[in-house]
Amino acid sequence: EVQLVQSGAEVKKPGESLKISCKASGYSFTNYWIGWVRQMPGKGLEFMGIIYLGDSDTRYSPSFQGQVTFSADKSITTAYLQWSSLKASDSGIYYCARRSSGWLFDPWGQGTLVTVSS
Amino acid sequence: QSALTQPPSASGSPGQSVTISCTGTSSDVGGYNYVSWYQHHPGKAPKLIILEVSKRPSGVPDRFSGSKSGNTASLTVSGLLAEDEADYFCCSYAGTTNWVFGGGTKLTVL
Repeated sequence: EVQLVQSGAEVKKPGESLKISCKASGYSFTNYWIGWVRQMPGKGLEFMGIIYLGDSDTRYSPSFQGQVTFSADKSITTAYLQWSSLKASDSGIYYCARRSSGWLFDPWGQGTLVTVSS
Repeated sequence: QSALTQPPSASGSPGQSVTISCTGTSSDVGGYNYVSWYQHHPGKAPKLIILEVSKRPSGVPDRFSGSKSGNTASLTVSGLLAEDEADYFCCSYAGTTNWVFGGGTKLTVL
């Protein structure tokens, strides 16, 4: 079964760093892109960007360029989303999803809730 | 404000049909036949139910159907079941490795 399992909820203070993970299983990890999607409280989904797991080629949505960093560790089939200095406005649920043929995302992870509060 | 516009809520009684719209622009929904729909029970992983406007993945009941006209895509759920109560959101490819999403629609089965 193709599956993405994300790391658990995080509570952080403004200015702290954070790295959340997305563990893939059930398929050839390096042949696909992984996308990251944000859902702010009470809002719709926003596309953050994608990373190709074969060579870590990354494409950031303009709104997120310079704000976050995507990375991946092929040896443990895990993709990461990280912040170097969190802001309260980074609070939300973050989803990873595999970019599949047909220009869509499937499957998705269950989401990671990030709360940034002083 | 989401890039694609969906009604925040929709409802129907068991057995009825409900249609959820997803309105974008000629740069996304209208420009590509790459609209997908997802069913999302909060706290769980979103599930793909429609791809490429109107195709159903294996295992998705034919009660779910999709269509598109111009810049608006639609998801129809026929023969509503209690288990269909969930959030539904649309997604469209928007060119140059960019995707846009709808704000989501909460479907209530009365």
